[in-house]
Amino acid sequence: EAGVAQSPRYKIIEKRQSVAFWCNPISGHATLYWYQQILGQGPKLLIQFQNNGVVDDSQLPKDRFSAERLKGVDSTLKIQPAKLEDSAVYLCASSVNQLWGGLNTEAFFGQGTRLTVV
Amino acid sequence: QQQVKQSPQSLIVQKGGISIINCAYENTAFDYFPWYQQFPGKGPALLIAIRPDVSEKKEGRFTISFNKSAKQFSLHIMDSQPGDSATYFCAAANSGTYKYIFGTGTRLKVLA
Repeated sequence: EAGVAQSPRYKIIEKRQSVAFWCNPISGHATLYWYQQILGQGPKLLIQFQNNGVVDDSQLPKDRFSAERLKGVDSTLKIQPAKLEDSAVYLCASSVNQLWGGLNTEAFFGQGTRLTVV
Repeated sequence: QQQVKQSPQSLIVQKGGISIINCAYENTAFDYFPWYQQFPGKGPALLIAIRPDVSEKKEGRFTISFNKSAKQFSLHIMDSQPGDSATYFCAAANSGTYKYIFGTGTRLKVLA
């Protein structure tokens, strides 16, 4: 089974520039998450999709961050304009979540995109 | 109330020793508690998970102990090996939202 694919792996941009990250979840996974992981900290949820609808985006800085999951499969996360404090690893994860109480609750993570804003 | 507090921040253990990492939560609506292992340059990977209807779960050298009344849970790594050197995150989720809240992480180093 293919894992969660993310691209690019690394990105360096100047502040005030824009950047986009792409995620392809595991086939058949209804739930998709974007997490921000700042160095030395735990992942922080930015947005959660269930199919192509947003379940939770309460911690997404909506003035500069946007995300979409067209057709309920792939997803993109965009930052515009970027700030120095956006330097972090952006992790995408997916899970089945159709049958709570079984193995389907596991969230599978991609390798992440390391963003450096200079 | 959505926080999950994790300690210690870092841990050094001799090979063959026991590694213990602790987590505490506030929100009683959480009903799923996974532990994730993360190696440098990789995404977190599920190690072991527990639900509040049991007080302990063991998988190989890894054991979760869960104390519902204290709202605490811990990971025990028995016979720790250098290959266990990684960052460990506890997390909590609610079955209604599937929203995972992560702890701040523990960097474990096992000395050969």
